[in-house]
Amino acid sequence: ELKVEQNPLFLSMQEGKNYTIYCNYSTTSDRLYWYRQDPGKSLESLFVLLSNGAVKQEGRLMASLDTKARLSTLHITAAVHDLSATYFCAVDIEGRYSGGGADGLTFGKGTHLIIQP
Amino acid sequence: ETGVTQSPTHLIKTRGQQVTLRCSSQSGHNTVSWYQQALGQGPQFIFQYYREEENGRGNFPPRFSGLQFPNYSSELNVNALELDDSALYLCASSLKYGELFFGEGSRLTVL
Repeated sequence: ELKVEQNPLFLSMQEGKNYTIYCNYSTTSDRLYWYRQDPGKSLESLFVLLSNGAVKQEGRLMASLDTKARLSTLHITAAVHDLSATYFCAVDIEGRYSGGGADGLTFGKGTHLIIQP
Repeated sequence: ETGVTQSPTHLIKTRGQQVTLRCSSQSGHNTVSWYQQALGQGPQFIFQYYREEENGRGNFPPRFSGLQFPNYSSELNVNALELDDSALYLCASSLKYGELFFGEGSRLTVL
């Protein structure tokens, strides 16, 4: 059974600080996804990482993937209050598709991030 | 181009009842996937429909069933509701094997 573990599950930090969220998974998939969810809202796709060594950046967020270590990181640089949300990583068990595979995505429990002014 | 829309947004049912949730896929998408998200948890894959047939299924009992229509819209049906079925139900549309686009969800409360 595929397991996806995130840590920390809860993070409170101050604006301007840097921090990293970790996502470990138990399969050999080389495709990993990061989503953001605001309270009561749906999932917003942040990054799709499709190969070992992939690195993507958008604003203050940067995601990377190490398929050998089965580890992805989401790094937050100089955090701002607007980044407060819950962040999920998800793995495609088939490892070949972009999320729409027949086995769906397996999600971590999420990291609840609060950034205080 | 319209996105993924779900209805209803909120509903309350009692144990033992049945519920139907609806999803209209994004224009051009032929695949619909359903996820259940319990409070404080990550979404869990229920099943996927492609060309009106169930194409894949997660670890959910048979009382969770679905349909996909020729216009690619979809329904999720849950029979004999249990308290633990209370959750946000998310629909995602895609091209087959493509990137998922999620709707806003239907929040079900079972009393």
